[in-house]
Amino acid sequence: AQSVDQPDAHVTLSEGASLELRCSYSYSAAPYLFWYVQYPGQSLQFLLKYITGDTVVKGTKGFEAEFRKSNSSFNLKKSPAHWSDSAKYFCALGRNSNNRIFFGDGTQLVVKP
Amino acid sequence: EAAVTQSPRNKVAVTGGKVTLSCNQTNNHNNMYWYRQDTGHGLRLIHYSYGAGSTEKGDIPDGYKASRPSQENFSLILELATPSQTSVYFCASGDAGGAGAETLYFGSGTRLTVL
Repeated sequence: AQSVDQPDAHVTLSEGASLELRCSYSYSAAPYLFWYVQYPGQSLQFLLKYITGDTVVKGTKGFEAEFRKSNSSFNLKKSPAHWSDSAKYFCALGRNSNNRIFFGDGTQLVVKP
Repeated sequence: EAAVTQSPRNKVAVTGGKVTLSCNQTNNHNNMYWYRQDTGHGLRLIHYSYGAGSTEKGDIPDGYKASRPSQENFSLILELATPSQTSVYFCASGDAGGAGAETLYFGSGTRLTVL
């Protein structure tokens, strides 16, 4: 079985602070990992993904994520955060056995100006 | 620019009625997906397709059918709509990133209310 856990339903921080959104996964084989963002009233947009190779991946809008196999995590980071980063962020897991991608429940981020 | 377009944007249906949600993509992607998003949940996969003529069941297919008549179009059909199907529905297409590694491109969503 496979699953994605985003333990923080809500995160609030001040503009200029560093943000880190947590994501852990459960999957017995090598995972493919993604982050998507959903701005208020909009659809989901791709931020970045880890397939293989470098464990730190950089994406759009200044975000990066680090894959840590040792603790099955793929946390999203950005510094400094901007008020425009306020959105809902989804971590997702893909498997090399088929095309199905599994989403976590998301983390609602609020960045206060 | 390549895009995924959903229609309608909003739909109000009556219990027991038939609802069809449409999705069109100009990405020329083989794979297409239907998800629903409910408050407190992530996206849950309803049906997906590997190409024209194919449909596969996702994680929550009960009460839904899908149709992929062409590369570009993928429909989600609720034959007998129920209030529990009130949700926001997203269509997505997937690029050729390889099995499980593809990037998804989402439509703007359809907000469905079943009364």
